[in-house]
Amino acid sequence: GAGVSQSPSNKVTEKGKDVELRCDPISGHTALYWYRQSLGQGLEFLIYFQGNSAPDKSGLPSDRFSAERTGGSVSTLTIQRTQQEDSAVYLCASSFRVDGELFFGEGSRLTVL
Amino acid sequence: KQEVTQIPAALSVPEGENLVLNCSFTDSAIYNLQWFRQDPGKGLTSLLLIQSSQREQTSGRLNASLDKSSGRSTLYIAASQPGDSATYLCAVGGFKTIFGAGTRLFVKA
Repeated sequence: GAGVSQSPSNKVTEKGKDVELRCDPISGHTALYWYRQSLGQGLEFLIYFQGNSAPDKSGLPSDRFSAERTGGSVSTLTIQRTQQEDSAVYLCASSFRVDGELFFGEGSRLTVL
Repeated sequence: KQEVTQIPAALSVPEGENLVLNCSFTDSAIYNLQWFRQDPGKGLTSLLLIQSSQREQTSGRLNASLDKSSGRSTLYIAASQPGDSATYLCAVGGFKTIFGAGTRLFVKA
């Protein structure tokens, strides 16, 4: 596609529910990143994919968080048993290669009630 | 562990002023450094990318420099305009890209 696409743009869920956030990177981009931005805060690194592999999962906050990427394209970030502290904007970025320019999507705003 | 610091945290200037935003990082083993702009409630827009082998990049009224040995980058904005008001983020690219907390800029008309 022309840019990085994320869905849903907004998600309101109840505490304890599972949520899935989707990222569709720019076609041909091999690297894909997930970040989290809490209100008024900077970007917190979550996970990075090179192709379908995730060399660095060190940023995932807990074992409730998981991510996968299939076909070297679409990625899904899953949060199980959501908590109120998971409320944030989840941003996805892709780049042509690991040292390339990052392009961001508009983000998915998650609100956990 | 890479740490990225941006100074100042916030800046308010009158229209027309030239200004400098600063970014420092602790580990000089980087692939690149990228400057972004973020408007309230929006995603990030890439402004400039400097590869590790480069010293500076320019785009219009923006100029970014990189000094890897001292772990510093600066973003220079010439003749600031109210439309430049936003949060500016620097991102240091290595095995994973790490962001600073940003500088919130307000340009008064």
